[in-house]
Amino acid sequence: GAVVSQHPSRVICKSGTSVKIECRSLDFQATTMFWYRQFPKQSLMLMATSNEGSKATYEQGVEKDKFLINHASLTLSTLTVTSAHPEDSSFYICSARPTGGLAYEQYFGPGTRLTVT
Amino acid sequence: QKEVEQNSGPLSVPEGAIASLNCTYSDRGSQSFFWYRQYSGKSPELIMSIYSNGDKEDGRFTAQLNKASQYVSLLIRDSQPSDSATYLCAVRGDMRFGAGTRLTVKP
Repeated sequence: GAVVSQHPSRVICKSGTSVKIECRSLDFQATTMFWYRQFPKQSLMLMATSNEGSKATYEQGVEKDKFLINHASLTLSTLTVTSAHPEDSSFYICSARPTGGLAYEQYFGPGTRLTVT
Repeated sequence: QKEVEQNSGPLSVPEGAIASLNCTYSDRGSQSFFWYRQYSGKSPELIMSIYSNGDKEDGRFTAQLNKASQYVSLLIRDSQPSDSATYLCAVRGDMRFGAGTRLTVKP
């Protein structure tokens, strides 16, 4: 149980285009999901916290108009990178916290590697 | 000061040895602490969580927490080459991660 999927696993896009990444909790409901970004040989950086039915909370320095987050259901959150640039190339990982679960419980998706050319 | 600091390593130990990974944190009010393992190109997987001072053992892994000194450590006994990965320390429910320590276990 407690499986989180991400789609796509890899994506290559041209500079200036937008890319949508999906994060799904497959066998549980998740009121809260988290989006992280990881550059090569660096740690995970929390980008935003997504709550179902409300606006996401972005970390300092993360542009909310560039990284659009929609958590429209209890099993799906999406991250859209708008007007992508090469510096947005990174490994994007989501995690999901089960509704009603332990406060510090979360399960990670397998990640999406974005390359912007 | 960073919220969570780890020795960036890399740390190299021979097979069968004990690997010791350390993490310090700045928020004295933190109550929960986690160790994750991350293989290259993969997402993190939870190894241990610890909430109380002292040691917590799970198989070859032991987490140690000292809230007074604000540090948490992870010991890996009988290290195996398959333990070679980056180990991430995380603090609190909002999961602030340390920079990670890259561990290599040499056969």
